[in-house]
Amino acid sequence: DIQMTQSPSSLSASVGDRVIITCRASQSISNYLNWYQQKPGKAPNLLIFAASSLQSGVPSRFSGSGSGTDFTLTISSLQPEDFATYYCQESYSTPPTFGQGTKLEIK
Amino acid sequence: QVQLVQSGAEVKKPGASVKVSCKASGYTFTSYFMHWVRQAPGQGLEWMGIINPSGGSTSYAQEFQGRVTMTRDTSTNSVYMELSSLRSEDTAVYYCARDRSTGTTLDAFDVWGQGTMVTVSS
Repeated sequence: DIQMTQSPSSLSASVGDRVIITCRASQSISNYLNWYQQKPGKAPNLLIFAASSLQSGVPSRFSGSGSGTDFTLTISSLQPEDFATYYCQESYSTPPTFGQGTKLEIK
Repeated sequence: QVQLVQSGAEVKKPGASVKVSCKASGYTFTSYFMHWVRQAPGQGLEWMGIINPSGGSTSYAQEFQGRVTMTRDTSTNSVYMELSSLRSEDTAVYYCARDRSTGTTLDAFDVWGQGTMVTVSS
């Protein structure tokens, strides 16, 4: 199975900050990398697919980049509703695996 | 609108089985594969398996082989996930999630059910 490692595991930031979350795969996965946001008590919500494509309805302050083994999710200007946990997920092979999550908290 | 609606919370004893349902609406049910993902309390996301609602073929994660069965009913646009020989470690929220693409077995998960809490306790 492919191992996905996110960093940091938690992050404190302020409204208006630019935030970058990284995800590393244990082997090359081309651009088969997706990002999700999950708020407490809710199902995950797809933000970015294929490393850099913005899911319909997702604000443009979210962006993704990378290929191969190293990927980033960037939030350009944090809004109050962005405080949540973020997961990366590879869809290169079965079983698809998730990172351990990055909890984004208010500073 | 596209949505997935899951069955309600369950409490089961160790050794029992649980069957969770997921009813799809707002799109052509047989055109998109469906995944099941679970999340233990305070933990991350774990993929359990996938079902093709068109033909009913399935693929399960190694960890659940022999204990999980995924089925579908095209007359009601529903998929089901049954997990047997339950143990306390199976206490989790179980989600169904639609695969984003038609014609492929693995892509991003673009629509999720609201989740079903399954508690295993004696």
